Amino acid sequence: KAGVTQTPRYLIKTRGQQVTLSCSPISGHRSVSWYQQTPGQGLQFLFEYFSETQRNKGNFPGRFSGRQFSNSRSEMNVSTLELGDSALYLCASSLAGGAGYTFGSGTRLTVV
Amino acid sequence: GQQVMQIPQYQHVQEGEDFTTYCKSSTTLSNIQWYKQRPGGHPVFLIQLVKSGEVKKQKRLTFQFGEAKKNSSLHITATQTTDVGTYFCAPNTGGFKTIFGAGTRLFVKA
Repeated sequence: KAGVTQTPRYLIKTRGQQVTLSCSPISGHRSVSWYQQTPGQGLQFLFEYFSETQRNKGNFPGRFSGRQFSNSRSEMNVSTLELGDSALYLCASSLAGGAGYTFGSGTRLTVV
Repeated sequence: GQQVMQIPQYQHVQEGEDFTTYCKSSTTLSNIQWYKQRPGGHPVFLIQLVKSGEVKKQKRLTFQFGEAKKNSSLHITATQTTDVGTYFCAPNTGGFKTIFGAGTRLFVKA
């Protein structure tokens, strides 16, 4: 079966712009989590969605937001981009959340 | 809030040597998961431990969950160059927010 698909794979944006990243989970998986990975900070939890509801949120500013659609696909949005937002953004899906995540290949965002 | 410590941060081994990474949580866990991320790749789920004192094996990998469900370890016997990567523990306290340890990066010299 198809894995977790993230698009785009690479993105270059300018400071102040906004960006939307997309994630299609494994078919049947209803939980989608987002993580930010940087060399210095490791994997940082952004938020988790289940059945279109955000169930938990990490310690990120309000510029980071997300949503989940009825088909479980998820998007995350970052507004007013800062240089420090440059990172690999990973999406992970699981059946119900809390265990056994399958990660996508990530979106590498570079802010210049 | 929950804090997790993973040690060591780095480990250099000669091929054939053993390797162990440890994960310590400040709170009692519902479960703990382990992931491996190869250089340039994404984390891949290895295993989940749920029961106190649980020990699971996957070929040369042995995973343990502490009796108090606060600590866990991953041990690799006779490392190979294919074991290179970063190993993350991911403790869960029963909610839907799975945090990750900082990871242990394993280097294997042939």
